[in-house]
Amino acid sequence: NAGVTQTPKFRVLKTGQSMTLLCAQDMNHEYMYWYRQDPGMGLRLIHYSVGEGTTAKGEVPDGYNVSRLKKQNFLLGLESAAPSQTSVYFCASKGGTDTQYFGPGTRLTVL
Amino acid sequence: GENVEQHPSTLSVQEGDSAVIKCTYSDSASNYFPWYKQELGKRPQLIIDIRSNVGEKKDQRIAVTLNKTAKHFSLHITETQPEDSAVYFCAASQQGGYNKLIFGAGTRLAVHP
Repeated sequence: NAGVTQTPKFRVLKTGQSMTLLCAQDMNHEYMYWYRQDPGMGLRLIHYSVGEGTTAKGEVPDGYNVSRLKKQNFLLGLESAAPSQTSVYFCASKGGTDTQYFGPGTRLTVL
Repeated sequence: GENVEQHPSTLSVQEGDSAVIKCTYSDSASNYFPWYKQELGKRPQLIIDIRSNVGEKKDQRIAVTLNKTAKHFSLHITETQPEDSAVYFCAASQQGGYNKLIFGAGTRLAVHP
């Protein structure tokens, strides 16, 4: 039981490049979330999903897209990366309780 | 929407002392308040949570108190140990359903031996 995993762990992009971050969970959770963490600002919700095939916007959705084609996977896409998207990205999932379980994070640098 | 403020941003204590971190929230509909601990380079992990139908909850050296009228809640750590050193985040949401958490900015706690 791996819990929540994220791929990749680190990535460096140039401005304008695109990439996809993958989040996978093996707990059969319905709810999945993408957050970004910046120094001094805590975690901010980018997008979330309440089930397979559904997505919704969080606090800071601009510049990101998401997809939930399979229940266990939640993808976060950056179509044209900007330096302001340099951050640590965390995925989380939640089942029948209120507890959100976080993945190990992806450190993204946009030059 | 909900806004969560957290204080202090940094806290330094001697081993064995108590530490208190305070958060305030703005949305009176919020009724679920978790606290997460994040060690350097690691993922946030839930350490304790409280729901609005109780005023206090304890788990060994950790306790959380909630004042719904004043819209604030606090984390109390007693008999601090060096391994308590980490960043602590409070959050607020409406329990159940998709449970969108709004986080405070975090408190960096340093426990000195």
